[in-house]
Amino acid sequence: DSGVTQTPKHLITATGQRVTLRCSPRSGDLSVYWYQQSLDQGLQFLIQYYNGEERAKGNILERFSAQQFPDLHSELNLSSLELGDSALYFCASSSIGLAGNEQFFGPGTRLTVL
Amino acid sequence: AQKVTQAQTEISVVEKEDVTLDCVYETRDTTYYLFWYKQPPSGELVFLIRRNSFDEQNEISGRYSWNFQKSTSSFNFTITASQVVDSAVYFCALSNAGGTSYGKLTFGQGTILTVHP
Repeated sequence: DSGVTQTPKHLITATGQRVTLRCSPRSGDLSVYWYQQSLDQGLQFLIQYYNGEERAKGNILERFSAQQFPDLHSELNLSSLELGDSALYFCASSSIGLAGNEQFFGPGTRLTVL
Repeated sequence: AQKVTQAQTEISVVEKEDVTLDCVYETRDTTYYLFWYKQPPSGELVFLIRRNSFDEQNEISGRYSWNFQKSTSSFNFTITASQVVDSAVYFCALSNAGGTSYGKLTFGQGTILTVHP
């Protein structure tokens, strides 16, 4: 158990809908990362937050947004969902969010868009 | 830009065989970090090792060993006397220290390892 929690574990929804994925980092970790794992794209970095502020952005679609709250949990919002958004979404946390910090991954949320 | 290549898509071995998973990386930074993660069938990503670019010493942890060679930009992973429980997808990843990377990981495509009894 990494100490990172993600909810829900599974999510099935329809095209055009909006969903929210939630992540609680390990106790004491200030930085949260979101990654998407799909069959065609592999594991890709989406976005990083540190202590409530956005720090780095990767290949995140404009339909996706995220935030980190004062209690350090983070939410990833996916809207106008398309079939291609079906993937496993991971949240990871690290202590201060710098290169070399070990990232601890949550169990992931499997999103299926029908 | 950084890139990680794991040329072996799938490897199949019989228990007790040794197996090496290859990883080649590209980066312009002089300071960077390399990682290996394991993804068992249950789906979570498990951290195995981290190496910084200034430390080329090989590392051994039980049946696992890692060979880091800057001259060939490779960070290979060897499992000695493989076991069925080693069956998983293994990812190599790179994190640059410079610019605005802030620790984001660039992953290879992964190698599916199947160990048969």
